Amino acid sequence: ETGVTQSPTHLIKTRGQQVTLRCSSQSGHNTVSWYQQALGQGPQFIFQYYREEENGRGNFPPRFSGLQFPNYSSELNVNALELDDSALYLCASSLGLAYRPLSTDTQYFGPGTRLTVL
Amino acid sequence: ILNVEQSPQSLHVQEGDSTNFTCSFPSSNFYALHWYRWETAKSPEALFVMTLNGDEKKKGRISATLNTKEGYSYLYIKGSQPEDSATYLCASEPNNDMRFGAGTRLTVKP
Repeated sequence: ETGVTQSPTHLIKTRGQQVTLRCSSQSGHNTVSWYQQALGQGPQFIFQYYREEENGRGNFPPRFSGLQFPNYSSELNVNALELDDSALYLCASSLGLAYRPLSTDTQYFGPGTRLTVL
Repeated sequence: ILNVEQSPQSLHVQEGDSTNFTCSFPSSNFYALHWYRWETAKSPEALFVMTLNGDEKKKGRISATLNTKEGYSYLYIKGSQPEDSATYLCASEPNNDMRFGAGTRLTVKP
């Protein structure tokens, strides 16, 4: 096990609602990335936080937003849910170091949150 | 190539067979290539992070090579075992945008 935890495990929401997903990073990790995995596809990058600042964002609309807290745990918020938001949401933590690109870090994934939008 | 592509999509082999998969990625603005193993009902597990052209990495029976000039990486599994059954994902980061392939699903039959 990686030590990265996510909550809740499963969630059912209706279209138009808002949802908050949570991720607790592995101890000592200062970077967290969020991914969306739709059925039959690879994970798609939503955004990354490094020391509480957004450090990169994929092709997702502004209704996908996030936070990273001083203890480096993180939240993913999705507003105005759409049916296509139904997916597995993964977070991954890593130890970012200032002298190398974050993209070269080994990422440790949580088990994911399965979101169903009806 | 604009996206990360993996082939084959799925693979069925017998225990003891050696096998390999391919990951193709954009060769411009290359930083790193990641390989993950994802077993059903578990979290994706990092196998390798590769950064240099010509890199070769090995972990037990699993090894990987990297060609950044032509934009491909191979993952090899020697003497496949049933516990190697999983989806193998690769990911690359052109332009600071982490992109995953759709994965290769490997099934090893006893």
